[in-house]
Order: sequence, then C-alpha cells, then structure tokens
Amino acid sequence: DVKVTQSSRYLVKRTGEKVFLECVQDMDHENMFWYRQDPGLGLRLIYFSYDVKMKEKGDIPEGYSVSREKKERFSLILESASTNQTSMYLCASRTGGTYNEQFFGPGTRLTVL
Amino acid sequence: GENVGLHLPTLSVQEGDNSIINCAYSNSASDYFIWYKQESGKGPQFIIDIRSNMDKRQGQRVTVLLNKTVKHLSLQIAATQPGDSAVYFCAENEGYSTLTFGKGTMLLVSP
Repeated sequence: DVKVTQSSRYLVKRTGEKVFLECVQDMDHENMFWYRQDPGLGLRLIYFSYDVKMKEKGDIPEGYSVSREKKERFSLILESASTNQTSMYLCASRTGGTYNEQFFGPGTRLTVL
Repeated sequence: GENVGLHLPTLSVQEGDNSIINCAYSNSASDYFIWYKQESGKGPQFIIDIRSNMDKRQGQRVTVLLNKTVKHLSLQIAATQPGDSAVYFCAENEGYSTLTFGKGTMLLVSP
C-alpha cells in the first residue's frame, strides 16, 4: 500500500519562528510536491522537486524554502513564520514521466499565532 | 482540511441517487486528468483518471467523462452512499508539467 506521511497533523507556532514540515514517501517516487490549501483558493503549489537535490518554485514560493537531500524525503521550511502562513499544508509524490497519478499525505494543519 | 468545503459549490443528493460532479478545465493542451476525493481532515485521495485519447472511463461505481471540445470533465457516482460525502476536485496536466487543480465541489449525501 502506497504511503506518503507527514511529520505532524497539527502544529502551532509563533510569528518569527522557523518551521520545518517533513514529508516521507515509501514508493521510490522521483517527484515530490508541497501545496497549501486554503478555503476559496484551492490547492496552490509552493515548491516541487523532480529528483534528489533538485527543486523548482511553484506558484507561491515566497516565504518558503525546501530541501531534498534524500529521494524519500522532502522538507518544507518556513524561515520566519507569519500569520498569513496559517494553512493546511499537503505533501504529494508521484513517479516520473507522464500520466502518473499523484499521491497525497494526510496534511499538516499549521497555525501561526 | 477541516474547512476546505467553505466557499465551494455544493451538490446535495439522497442516498441511492446518482451524482454528477462537473469540472471545466482551462488548458486545451492538457492530456491527463484526475479526480480526487477529500474527506474532512484528510488529504486528497485518488479516485480515477483519464487520458485525453479517451472520452469515458469506468471504475467501481464511478465514471469519468471527458469532452475536449468544450473542455469539460465530469464524475458520475452511481448509487451514492453517505460515505461518498466529501469535496471532489479535478486536476489537469499537460505532458511533464505539474497538475493544475480545480476549486472543488462539496458533495453532501443524505441518508
């Protein structure tokens, strides 16, 4: 059974804190993604990675960075958390190439106070 | 997420009815489409996909129809059950690009 796991389901942080969100997949997928999901705005792509050590900006990368040191792990970093980064964060992975479905993790609900 | 259903169009059906959820996509060059289901507090779950060389694809109790002429995708759920209550959204993809997601539709099934 395929699996994408995220380090926390719920997280509460203070403004200005550095926040790490971890994502691990056990499917040997090349591609990994970070989204945020907000009411009325749908899923928005923050960053993605086609392979280890590679990263690409998505639609809303400002205020975020990522790290992909190992194939199975993709980390999202909020360098200095702000209240407008309160959101649901979803990680996903898929195998490389075309016509391949994307598998999602359970999400991390981050609240920045 | 817990409140992902806010601000979304809602389809309310009775248990046992057939449901049809629609999606208009934007890119005429998209060649791969996916339907996802998202229950409250959970991540999106793959339901069914279809490539642009097909008009229809069937799964278990679900059928996806693709009309490329008008850039329209629909998801049909047969004999809808209370467990089908969730937010459903479509996603489109062109070649090696990233997925583009629709805003979603909330499906509410009454017993």
